[in-house]
Amino acid sequence: QVLLQESGPGLVKPSETLSLTCTVSTYSITSDYYWGWIRQPPGKGLEWIGSIFHSGSAYYNSSLKSRVTISVDTSKKQFSLRLSSLTAADTAVYYCAREIVGATQTIDYWGQGTLVTVSS
Amino acid sequence: QSVLTQPPSASGTPGQRVTISCSGSNSNIGRNSVNWHHQLPGTAPKLLLSDDNQRPSGVPDRFSASKSGTSASLAISGLQSEDEADYYCAAWDDSLNGWVFGGGTKLTVL
Repeated sequence: QVLLQESGPGLVKPSETLSLTCTVSTYSITSDYYWGWIRQPPGKGLEWIGSIFHSGSAYYNSSLKSRVTISVDTSKKQFSLRLSSLTAADTAVYYCAREIVGATQTIDYWGQGTLVTVSS
Repeated sequence: QSVLTQPPSASGTPGQRVTISCSGSNSNIGRNSVNWHHQLPGTAPKLLLSDDNQRPSGVPDRFSASKSGTSASLAISGLQSEDEADYYCAAWDDSLNGWVFGGGTKLTVL
């Protein structure tokens, strides 16, 4: 069992930058998996934001790429999301997840999610 | 607009077999693994089935998946009330270089 726990502010103002952290427990963040962020606006479907490998190699959703940075801190067993220039459309539950991207591809573990509301 | 296409809803009575479809393209389902995730109200998604019907521990074999070309399906046999949930398909997209999801199917057990 891999435990993923998101942390960060629940309320952020428009135009500001969101910072979230995911802490990985019971598994090594330096193993051969990608670590990703996925969000879900209230009442809507899932949207992939981006993923990172422990080496720092990252992939981003092209629709968000100009506003997103994902980083990893292996010493703390954490990876982080920064999303800038927030608008109300960024209000969502943000999930971190573990991903297999190779010969096969699977999102096999999800965090419990954290609701982020963008409002003044 | 989701890259993968799922019906918004599905329903069945207890004991029935229901299927949920997921349509994509050559850059995602046509080349890569399809995952199925389920999400109970107010909770995080969980992996239900991965490539070649690999089931995480605890997922009953009433759930099965198949794929043909650029389409995939999830089948649930012996439908139970606790199967009421939202179901999402997901796949890696080689053109977009990222994960794509279906819009989700809300399953109702009548």
